[in-house]
Amino acid sequence: AQRVTQPEKLLSVFKGAPVELKCNYSYSGSPELFWYVQYSRQRLQLLLRHISRESIKGFTADLNKGETSFHLKKPFAQEEDSAMYYCALSPLTDKLIFGTGTRLQVFP
Amino acid sequence: GAGVSQSPRYKVTKRGQDVALRCDPISGHVSLYWYRQALGQGPEFLTYFNYEAQQDKSGLPNDRFSAERPEGSISTLTIQRTQQEDSAVYLCASSLRGANYGYTFGSGTRLTVV
Repeated sequence: AQRVTQPEKLLSVFKGAPVELKCNYSYSGSPELFWYVQYSRQRLQLLLRHISRESIKGFTADLNKGETSFHLKKPFAQEEDSAMYYCALSPLTDKLIFGTGTRLQVFP
Repeated sequence: GAGVSQSPRYKVTKRGQDVALRCDPISGHVSLYWYRQALGQGPEFLTYFNYEAQQDKSGLPNDRFSAERPEGSISTLTIQRTQQEDSAVYLCASSLRGANYGYTFGSGTRLTVV
């Protein structure tokens, strides 16, 4: 079955600390993976895509096929990073399968 | 328009009533998607369109749910004979060329069935 697991509902860190939001997936093929973010009172928006190998707002994510993971990382958290983060998987069909999300709280 | 527009933003309806939720995608976006998000959960796929053609409706929970996009632009998601378990935020998204290029989401419609 195709599934995305985000094991942490809440992750709290202090400003300047490193952040790692965990995402594991279950999919038999070669997946396309994404991170979406929802800031307070804003719409859900795309943060980054595995296919682009990009770094957005200091965040990066590396696909590890052996561990079936796509963890989101940032070396130094900022208060404005506080938000809800969703990992998503695109199987061969044109839809996304989302995880349940992790709330990141960055304290000053 | 500048973004994906959904209306109404909030809808409270009585159990058994029909509701229609509207989505106006970004102009020129080929693909339009409907998702549902229950409290504390991630968005769950319902259905999607390329132009006016409904490509996949496998996520619609039952036959009370239907969607259309007759002219390849605005879409309507209709829920007939609403039940309390239909209460959720209904999200619409559009994409220029498909999921792998990323979605642009609307603000959602929060549906409450009482």
